[in-house]
Amino acid sequence: DTAVSQTPKYLVTQMGNDKSIKCEQNLGHDTMYWYKQDSKKFLKIMFSYNNKELIINETVPNRFSPKSPDKAHLNLHINSLELGDSAVYFCATAEGANYGYTFGSGTRLTVV
Amino acid sequence: GDSVTQMEGPVTLSEEAFLTINCTYTATGYPSLFWYVQYPGEGLQLLLKATKADDKGSNKGFEATYRKETTSFHLEKGSVQVSDSAVYFCALSDGGSTLGRLYFGRGTQLTVWP
Repeated sequence: DTAVSQTPKYLVTQMGNDKSIKCEQNLGHDTMYWYKQDSKKFLKIMFSYNNKELIINETVPNRFSPKSPDKAHLNLHINSLELGDSAVYFCATAEGANYGYTFGSGTRLTVV
Repeated sequence: GDSVTQMEGPVTLSEEAFLTINCTYTATGYPSLFWYVQYPGEGLQLLLKATKADDKGSNKGFEATYRKETTSFHLEKGSVQVSDSAVYFCALSDGGSTLGRLYFGRGTQLTVWP
């Protein structure tokens, strides 16, 4: 039973399309994150939710909209996809400050 | 603000060589420190952590000691294997102010040759 699961694992789509990535966790953690990893492996935080409330919103274009229907889910919707959105997107959860994150296996998004 | 600086890669070693990946940090409070490993095509996995000064984290033959005086958390392994080839990330948690947000270094690619 995967602790943090993301779907889909791969996503290839055309510029201008709208797509969603889903994340579900069964760890009971209150805090969930979305990170973007670029081709040089740099990890950039995008959003953080704590118990369905948005607590971190970095300088992300408003084409990106997170949605947390409940504590176990944090989805990422992206409108009007651009070539520069191509990256690997990771969902993660945190139990608390000293425990670190548990990551999902990532969604590789390719915009063509 | 809080930040992590780790040595740039790539690092290329022969099997059984000694590994050091340097990591230094800047933090205003008393952070917890972490090393994560990312194998090709996978997500990040927690490798080890230390939550206070002078703590040593260890796992799978890897070690790192939390040095407050030098603000460092260098990763070491005495004898690397081909299976250790991966990207390694140093990270810090700034404590409770942002509910455990992690600040990551830029990652160091390690390749081990047989």
